[in-house]
Amino acid sequence: AQTVTQSQPEMSVQEAETVTLSCTYDTSESDYYLFWYKQPPSRQMILVIRQEAYKQQNATENRFSVNFQKAAKSFSLKISDSQLGDAAMYFCAYRSAFRGSTLGRLYFGRGTQLTVWP
Amino acid sequence: DSGVTQTPKHLITATGQRVTLRCSPRSGDLSVYWYQQSLDQGLQFLIQYYNGEERAKGNILERFSAQQFPDLHSELNLSSLELGDSALYFCASTPGGSQRDTQYFGPGTRLTVL
Repeated sequence: AQTVTQSQPEMSVQEAETVTLSCTYDTSESDYYLFWYKQPPSRQMILVIRQEAYKQQNATENRFSVNFQKAAKSFSLKISDSQLGDAAMYFCAYRSAFRGSTLGRLYFGRGTQLTVWP
Repeated sequence: DSGVTQTPKHLITATGQRVTLRCSPRSGDLSVYWYQQSLDQGLQFLIQYYNGEERAKGNILERFSAQQFPDLHSELNLSSLELGDSALYFCASTPGGSQRDTQYFGPGTRLTVL
């Protein structure tokens, strides 16, 4: 089974600064999707960004960007110009692109709690 | 707001009881996924339905069952509840069964078993 590892249980950043959250994954598949979800104190799971493994270009969504290193199986999230509202638990997730018994399911890491200081 | 709704928001019950959690997917979405989030296990996939049929199963206990109805809403039934079943239960939906689809999550149901 695929595993997703987030080695940083907690991170903190000063407002307006940049922070990078790490994620590694283990898979034997060549085609897949990777996601970062944000879970604020409200507990709602909110999609932050998505990356297709077949795309070499790193995904970007406003202040959020990823560094996708397929060979290293690494998928980090960079948050630029951090804001107080970015404070949340961030989850990295993997999804296979192939049909099969695990069709559609997401595999999640354990999360990184991000604190933003004013 | 993701467009996925879940009821109830909170549920408190006793061990041995049975509860039903409800999920309404986004308008037009055919696939529903259920996940459990607990301190011990993190976020775990339970089960997926597509257009009324079970598509995939994860680490779902035999005491748990689910179904998807013709109007596409889904229910997760948890029976013979144990203290360890206390968790946040999410559902997510996608338009179809394609892996290209992004899953959008509902607000979750927090279950507390006393």
